[in-house]
Amino acid sequence: GAGVSQTPSNKVTEKGKYVELRCDPISGHTALYWYRQSLGQGPEFLIYFQGTGAADDSGLPNDRFFAVRPEGSVSTLKIQRTERGDSAVYLCASSLTAGGPVDTQYFGPGTRLTVL
Amino acid sequence: AQTVTQSQPEMSVQEAETVTLSCTYDTSESDYYLFWYKQPPSRQMILVIRQEAYKQQNATENRFSVNFQKAAKSFSLKISDSQLGDAAMYFCAARWSGNTPLVFGKGTRLSVIA
Repeated sequence: GAGVSQTPSNKVTEKGKYVELRCDPISGHTALYWYRQSLGQGPEFLIYFQGTGAADDSGLPNDRFFAVRPEGSVSTLKIQRTERGDSAVYLCASSLTAGGPVDTQYFGPGTRLTVL
Repeated sequence: AQTVTQSQPEMSVQEAETVTLSCTYDTSESDYYLFWYKQPPSRQMILVIRQEAYKQQNATENRFSVNFQKAAKSFSLKISDSQLGDAAMYFCAARWSGNTPLVFGKGTRLSVIA
């Protein structure tokens, strides 16, 4: 596609449930990033992938959060036993490579997760 | 810790006027990249402008320009001839060499008054 796409656009779930958020990066981009944006804050890094492997997952808040990118393209962010504090906009970004001097991250429209 | 600070939660500007948004950062690195992103109500983060720290010349993109003061660790965004479509949240962000995730400030909400 022309840009980064994310589905669903909005997700409402109940406390304790499991959710999956999907990101489809720009075609050909090898690096993929997940960020979380709480209300009134800037995005905060969660995890990034270079190809299929998680190159840095230091931003994941706890072991309820997990992400995969099995074929080096689409990525899924998985949240187990959701808590009300997980409510936020989850942003995905991709870049041609990771860390190069001309790498720019292009963002998707985000998924707004609401945990009731 | 490497941080990015935006000290103006909200700013407003008259249509066709010029406004400057402030950003400072803290790092001991000498090689890094700085960005301004715009986030309208649609939530899509849109890259406005970028600056490589090793370049002395300030970046410009049409009506958008930056004032990069490396010694002061300051990276302000100037918007000239402001338009109604410029109204949005603006985030300053940095990427340190060898550490690819972006670090964002808290944002500045810009209103444009007709």
